[in-house]
Amino acid sequence: EAAVTQSPRNKVTVTGGNVTLSCRQTNSHNYMYWYRQDTGHGLRLIHYSYGAGNLQIGDVPDGYKATRTTQEDFFLLLELASPSQTSLYFCASSDAPGGRQNTLYFGAGTRLSVL
Amino acid sequence: TQTVSQSDAHVTVFEGDSVELRCNYSYGGSIYLSWYIQHHGRGLQFLLKYYSGNPVVQGVNGFEAEFSKSDSSFHLRKASVHWSDSAVYFCAVSADSNYQLIWGSGTKLIIKP
Repeated sequence: EAAVTQSPRNKVTVTGGNVTLSCRQTNSHNYMYWYRQDTGHGLRLIHYSYGAGNLQIGDVPDGYKATRTTQEDFFLLLELASPSQTSLYFCASSDAPGGRQNTLYFGAGTRLSVL
Repeated sequence: TQTVSQSDAHVTVFEGDSVELRCNYSYGGSIYLSWYIQHHGRGLQFLLKYYSGNPVVQGVNGFEAEFSKSDSSFHLRKASVHWSDSAVYFCAVSADSNYQLIWGSGTKLIIKP
């Protein structure tokens, strides 16, 4: 079964703080995604990547950077965290573009609180 | 622009009851539709998907969904729910021309004993 591991599971930081969320997949998938989940909004795509060194902008990228260092590892960076970035963050992977009859595999999520 | 609507934020049923979770979308072209389940404290897991062919698709654990072009819907059903079905269910759509998934806001299914 596909495996996506996120760390940390919970993170608390202060406004202006620097945060890095990590994601590793062991599925040999090309595509990786970062989503945020907020009540009433479902999932919103922040950034995604289709391979090492590649980065694509999602629907809500402001305030976020991302980096795909290897096929397995995808990081989400919040360099100046703000309270509006308090959310539940999910990483996902897929073999091909999500939606084109392909299944997304999700990590367990990281709950981030920005005080 | 594609949109997805899950009109019920919460659905409550008794164990053993049937249930239907509603999903409506707006898009005129070819689309992909899928349902995912999220148990408390966990990531989303794939349930089933539809693109073409038989409008009724079967998923895991007795779930099925029916596509209706005329109603722009893709409702999820189960004939007899179990307590372990308690979770949040997400509908997602994407267009053939833009493979990014658009997600509904989710429906929380509550199972009473």
